[in-house]
Amino acid sequence: AQSVAQPEDQVNVAEGNPLTVKCTYSVSGNPYLFWYVQYPNRGLQFLLKYITGDNLVKGSYGFEAEFNKSQTSFHLKKPSALVSDSALYFCAQISSGSARQLTFGSGTQLTVLP
Amino acid sequence: DGGITQSPKYLFRKEGQNVTLSCEQNLNHDAMYWYRQDPGQGLRLIYYSQIVNDFQKGDIAEGYSVSREKKESFPLTVTSAQKNPTAFYLCASSPGTSGLGQYFGPGTRLTVT
Repeated sequence: AQSVAQPEDQVNVAEGNPLTVKCTYSVSGNPYLFWYVQYPNRGLQFLLKYITGDNLVKGSYGFEAEFNKSQTSFHLKKPSALVSDSALYFCAQISSGSARQLTFGSGTQLTVLP
Repeated sequence: DGGITQSPKYLFRKEGQNVTLSCEQNLNHDAMYWYRQDPGQGLRLIYYSQIVNDFQKGDIAEGYSVSREKKESFPLTVTSAQKNPTAFYLCASSPGTSGLGQYFGPGTRLTVT
């Protein structure tokens, strides 16, 4: 079965430092990968997606993600973290087949410390 | 949260009662989805609909029902058969049926006691 793994439940980083939120995927063929962010008691906001093309994808709010096929990873990065980046982050992939469903990772809580 | 509205934001019900959660979108999207979110489990797909008058079960459809009589509306009913209904429910929509670029509503937090 296709799955998305976010190995870290919690990531803490100091403001101004670079941040990385990890994601690995498992899907045959070419994956479609996404990152979403969720603030408390809110819906998910789209950050970025990888469909094809450059392995480094740039998204909203200064975030970027690097697609690595050999490592089956799609880690979210930001060069300089802000306190306002503190939120719950979800990695997701589109399933193959006709249903085209999103499969989500379990989420990573990012806390940026002032 | 785009053009997707969910109401109410918070909902409280007694055990054994059915409850319907509203989801409306004005994005003219073909596909709509319902997810359930529990702490530490990410989002799990309950039902989805790719076209009016048609819908498909997701991974955890038991105890839930939906309808899609209009393109802009996709209400979810949590029935008394759902064993553990307390959760945060998120509705989403996407243009076409590719699943790419899903837009999410603000969610409804359902508490059943």
